[in-house]
Amino acid sequence: QVALKESGPVLVKPTETLTLTCAVSGFSLNNAGLGVSWIRQPPGKALQWLAHISSNDERFHSTSLKSRVTISKDTSKSQVVLTMTNMDPVDTATYYCARKGDSAAWYGYWGQGTLVTVSS
Amino acid sequence: SYELTQPPSVSVSPGQTASITCSGDRLGDKYASWYQQKAGQSPLLVIYQGYKRPSGIPERFSGSNSGNTATLTIRGTQAMDEADYYCQTWDSNTAVFGTGTKVTVL
Repeated sequence: QVALKESGPVLVKPTETLTLTCAVSGFSLNNAGLGVSWIRQPPGKALQWLAHISSNDERFHSTSLKSRVTISKDTSKSQVVLTMTNMDPVDTATYYCARKGDSAAWYGYWGQGTLVTVSS
Repeated sequence: SYELTQPPSVSVSPGQTASITCSGDRLGDKYASWYQQKAGQSPLLVIYQGYKRPSGIPERFSGSNSGNTATLTIRGTQAMDEADYYCQTWDSNTAVFGTGTKVTVL
């Protein structure tokens, strides 16, 4: 069955670069029509979309974070990677990856999320 | 940038109907989705394309989308429906989530 699982550091220091990995199973990142997004949620706050990579490697980023966020994928490893530079305490959040069809507008599958705390 | 606005909270008695609105410019021209998020859990898709229910979602969940407003309706609300609910759409190759609504079943 379809599954996504996020992994990465639990704690990062201000100004450091965060790298998170989303390992997917039950589908291939090579599949035409399936893409993966990164979405985060600060404690007690709303969901915030960060970036998306489509099946044909098109990449879309949040306009407010575009200069800090990079999304990429390794289809051989079934992984989608998010990097975010210059981390700040306000970036403390649970980070989720989620699957979306290229022609769809919704997220049918989500990972469990990983909490990242930014603190010195 | 595009924004979606939801009421912060909605209270409902067990067995009654809860309605949650999501407002955005010409939202009715876009696909609206709704997610349920219980405490400590990942979001769960409950409505997509404005009114469709994924497999396994109870029939008491329904949706509509017209004009500037999408609405999620929960009929015969149960205690297990107590959660945060988020609307979501896409605009200019950007996913947008609503501000979120906490549904309390009193």
